[in-house]
Amino acid sequence: GAVVSQHPSWVICKSGTSVKIECRSLDFQATTMFWYRQFPKQSLMLMATSNEGSKATYEQGVEKDKFLINHASLTLSTLTVTSAHPEDSSFYICSASPLNQPQHFGDGTRLSIL
Amino acid sequence: GESVGLHLPTLSVQEGDNSIINCAYSNSASDYFIWYKQESGKGPQFIIDIRSNMDKRQGQRVTVLLNKTVKHLSLQIAATQPGDSAVYFCAENQGYSSASKIIFGSGTRLSIRP
Repeated sequence: GAVVSQHPSWVICKSGTSVKIECRSLDFQATTMFWYRQFPKQSLMLMATSNEGSKATYEQGVEKDKFLINHASLTLSTLTVTSAHPEDSSFYICSASPLNQPQHFGDGTRLSIL
Repeated sequence: GESVGLHLPTLSVQEGDNSIINCAYSNSASDYFIWYKQESGKGPQFIIDIRSNMDKRQGQRVTVLLNKTVKHLSLQIAATQPGDSAVYFCAENQGYSSASKIIFGSGTRLSIRP
């Protein structure tokens, strides 16, 4: 079946650095992908909609200059957390939808900022 | 705010019994709902979906019921097994297309007693 892959699955970095997370659709093309953030024991909160070949659409309260999204191909979207700080530590999850199918989710990236 | 929510944060069920997880929504115009299962450290996994032109849909060991009058849906899991332990989310697909963004409810943690 359709698979969405994220890389890395886990990353630790120092405060102030930037971190890039990749989301790939492995056996289908996705003009739209979605990025979510999930804090411990909480639900998934939609951050932004990633659009292939155009600017991402951010949800209210999400800083677009902080969370840079690039969707350069039909199978890859990247989320870059710029100048990361401890409060950015979270579980980041992406999703994409094959044609006429529900959203499929990646297995997430656990980001820890020291 | 979120348009989808859950009645209870946790549910404990005896192995072999049926589980019922409830969800309320507020937008009467909502017409596509999805149930996801999330195991620890993983992304959400699609279980079953239902559109507003239906009031019941069945899958393997799972049934979703939709009551549009009271804006309520439920997920029933038959003969609950240890592998069913997870957090279950109802989610609203905000659009007719499966490529539309999804808004998640707060989630219910299902635990199984041996």
